[in-house]
Amino acid sequence: GIQVEQSPPDLILQEGANSTLRCNFSDSVNNLQWFHQNPWGQLINLFYIPSGTKQNGRLSATTVATERYSLLYISSSQTTDSGVYFCAVNLKSSGNTPLVFGKGTRLSVIA
Amino acid sequence: DSGVTQTPKHLITATGQRVTLRCSPRSGDLSVYWYQQSLDQGLQFLIQYYNGEERAKGNILERFSAQQFPDLHSELNLSSLELGDSALYFCASSANSPHNSPLHFGNGTRLTVT
Repeated sequence: GIQVEQSPPDLILQEGANSTLRCNFSDSVNNLQWFHQNPWGQLINLFYIPSGTKQNGRLSATTVATERYSLLYISSSQTTDSGVYFCAVNLKSSGNTPLVFGKGTRLSVIA
Repeated sequence: DSGVTQTPKHLITATGQRVTLRCSPRSGDLSVYWYQQSLDQGLQFLIQYYNGEERAKGNILERFSAQQFPDLHSELNLSSLELGDSALYFCASSANSPHNSPLHFGNGTRLTVT
């Protein structure tokens, strides 16, 4: 079955707006990471966050492991934030398998 | 810069051919992963090596093979190529286990099979 679901699939923002991206997962996680794939295809690791909250500049992430979801917050969005945001998890029920990626949220920030 | 190096950046080849993609992990990272990204399948895990040994296998076709060498660089070999193999192939590395280490990706190799 589906292990990682991301929403919304697509998002268009005006520059300066804030947004929240969501990742739901089907079981307890060993590991959850957020990635940004920029328009040139590069995949950048944003957060390693199996639980709790972390912040990095205008981005922050929260994982509520007991409720099986994670949120990525983008504040004061800029055009350079455009791209696809992926959530990836390693579920405890999956054993030693590497990260499974969601289908992503495609973000377009317009000036 | 993630520190993971992939070569070549682009590869154009014909059906039936064989290609080799190369990856050097970040300094100190022991695990290397290969992922395939195509438009209709998203990011699919292919295979993982840890310190020279195969650790996990995903949706890797029998026509594909990989290895990790003593200096920890890895190669992904794709043979009898088909049009459907056209995709972006990523290598990633982590310090050790995917359970407790951040994953860092190279810039990918874009393979076009004509």
